Amino acid sequence: ETGVTQTPRHLVMGMTNKKSLKCEQHLGHNAMYWYKQSAKKPLELMFVYSLEERVENNSVPSRFSPECPNSSHLFLHLHTLQPEDSALYLCASSQEPGGSGEKLFFGSGTQLSVL
Amino acid sequence: GDSVTQMEGPVTLSEEAFLTINCTYTATGYPSLFWYVQYPGEGLQLLLKATKADDKGSNKGFEATYRKETTSFHLEKGSVQVSDSAVYFCALVSTQGGSEKLVFGKGTKLTVNP
Repeated sequence: ETGVTQTPRHLVMGMTNKKSLKCEQHLGHNAMYWYKQSAKKPLELMFVYSLEERVENNSVPSRFSPECPNSSHLFLHLHTLQPEDSALYLCASSQEPGGSGEKLFFGSGTQLSVL
Repeated sequence: GDSVTQMEGPVTLSEEAFLTINCTYTATGYPSLFWYVQYPGEGLQLLLKATKADDKGSNKGFEATYRKETTSFHLEKGSVQVSDSAVYFCALVSTQGGSEKLVFGKGTKLTVNP
């Protein structure tokens, strides 16, 4: 398997649930990212990890908690979400942090619906 | 801060029609510019890029020219196909804050009917 793989593809959760999104990259990259894609809004960069260390956190609410146990895996733990958190969550990776343009590889995303 | 503005969608065309999706940007200096495409059920893929003024990026019949004077990077294709139905994102590399990051537009959904 190659590229960036995200699971699950779809997730429906209640506001009191706890769930996790998973991302795995098979490219040997050192940096991983979480983006949020909402309808009619630009992609929002949420978190950046470099060699398992968080290097950027763009004012994301604490109900989103990332985890990077190694350079190939990235998780996004979710708890007490709000309906406005419903969106497509995209994972990406790059060889080095900074991830400019052609060096970013995206997964297919997890479509999250919060009821 | 740096930003990208794309034309509002959705755009619906018939097969073989001409496509233009407008993109303008606001940035310090002359950033690299990109078009990404997101096919249904998939992640974003780089479609084409241009790194300096007057550069033309091209791929799969799509073209975009880096226009410094108008701060634009409009996407064009002479004859679209049903398989081009997707969401298209314009983006630039911002160096604000001391690190490089991609700044995206809101995306434009294109539907091509047979």
